[in-house]
Amino acid sequence: NAGVTQTPKFQVLKTGQSMTLQCAQDMNHEYMSWYRQDPGMGLRLIHYSVGAGITDQGEVPNGYNVSRSTTEDFPLRLLSAAPSQTSVYFCASSPRTSGEYNEQFFGPGTRLTVL
Amino acid sequence: SQQGEEDPQALSIQEGENATMNCSYKTSINNLQWYRQNSGRGLVHLILIRSNEREKHSGRLRVTLDTSKKSSSLLITASRAADTASYFCATPKGTGRRALTFGSGTRLQVQP
Repeated sequence: NAGVTQTPKFQVLKTGQSMTLQCAQDMNHEYMSWYRQDPGMGLRLIHYSVGAGITDQGEVPNGYNVSRSTTEDFPLRLLSAAPSQTSVYFCASSPRTSGEYNEQFFGPGTRLTVL
Repeated sequence: SQQGEEDPQALSIQEGENATMNCSYKTSINNLQWYRQNSGRGLVHLILIRSNEREKHSGRLRVTLDTSKKSSSLLITASRAADTASYFCATPKGTGRRALTFGSGTRLQVQP
C-alpha cells in the first residue's frame, strides 16, 4: 500500500491564482481531512469528510473548497490564492471504527508559497 | 485557541535521559493521541489513550491521562538522538469527532 499520497510536494503561486492540491489514499479509509501547518505551529483543520459525498468545515475553511466524489480522493482547492495561505498542507485519513475514533495516517505534505 | 496545548514548547536533553512533555485540553474527550513529526515530514501516530484509561505504555513511551485535570503527559525513557522531533497531542473534534485538534507541539532535541 502506498498509504496517503499528496501532490505536488512543492508549489509556488502568485496572488489570485487558483490550484488544486491532490490527496489520495489506498487503505479504503472512510475519513479524510486537510490540515495546514504554519511555521512553529500545530496543525489546524481546514475541511474534513466522513465519507464519499459528505464534507464539513474545520477551523479555518475560508478560501478553500473540497469535494469527495470517491472514497480514495479528497482534493483541496484554493480559489484565489493569498499570501496568508503560504503554509504546509497535510492530508490525513482514518478508518471507520465502531464507537471509537482511530488514529490518523498522514501524507508527506505539500509546501505552498504564495507570492 | 488550540484545544490541546503542550508544554514545554522546547526541550533539550542528553541521550539516555528521560523526556517528559505535557498537554492540556479544554473540552471532554473520548481519547487523546500523541503524534511525532520529524523535521519536514508528515506526522506519525505514536499512541492513543482512551478516556477510561489512566496510563498506557508502548515500548519506551509512557502516556498518562488525568481527565479531572484535563491533562496528559508523554514520557520518553532512555532517549536517543533519533527521538529528536516535534511531539503533538491531539484530541477528536468535529461532527462525530471525526477529525483532530492539535496543540502547538513540543520540540525535543536529544543531544548525542
